[in-house]
Amino acid sequence: RKEVEQDPGPFNVPEGATVAFNCTYSNSASQSFFWYRQDCRKEPKLLMSVYSSGNEDGRFTAQLNRASQYISLLIRDSKLSDSATYLCVVNSLKQLTFGSGTQLTVLP
Amino acid sequence: GAGVSQSPSNKVTEKGKDVELRCDPISGHTALYWYRQRLGQGLEFLIYFQGNSAPDKSGLPSDRFSAERTGESVSTLTIQRTQQEDSAVYLCASSPVSGQGYEQYFGPGTRLTVT
Repeated sequence: RKEVEQDPGPFNVPEGATVAFNCTYSNSASQSFFWYRQDCRKEPKLLMSVYSSGNEDGRFTAQLNRASQYISLLIRDSKLSDSATYLCVVNSLKQLTFGSGTQLTVLP
Repeated sequence: GAGVSQSPSNKVTEKGKDVELRCDPISGHTALYWYRQRLGQGLEFLIYFQGNSAPDKSGLPSDRFSAERTGESVSTLTIQRTQQEDSAVYLCASSPVSGQGYEQYFGPGTRLTVT
């Protein structure tokens, strides 16, 4: 079983739609969780950290369910510029473990 | 301020040649990470440095791969006797410290093509 698993997609949604991604992780001792965004042929960039209480940043909401060991990312009112690959990232000892990513395309 | 830089941005080499990839982390960042990303794939952890030491080399795919870091700054990733399967983007990231909860800042990567 992979340490971090994501649905690879692709998710094709119309502009303005709400879309949700889930990610599961295997190491119950993991303490830190993140969502990164990677544009085509670019490096990953941090989108947001994920806190136990859940957190929101504008149109983006991240949630953590420790009991079920999954993390979610919700994007509301999606924009064309949201098209990218979204990487679920979990700390593993002193390194981060990246999921393979979920590809999102927002269509006009 | 200046971000993580990597050089070269692109490298085409013949099978069997050695290549050296360079990473300049953000100034003051003590932790440095190397990843590999094959086309259409996720990030594959290779090695990380805390200061100049490499506590975790578990991700290096073979003994053809080595890395070093000097002066808690620049790091080089060396691939000897390159093979076609080494073709990928090699990403470097740095972080203020290693450990839980710290964001990693990525460089633009070096795109390696082995012909």
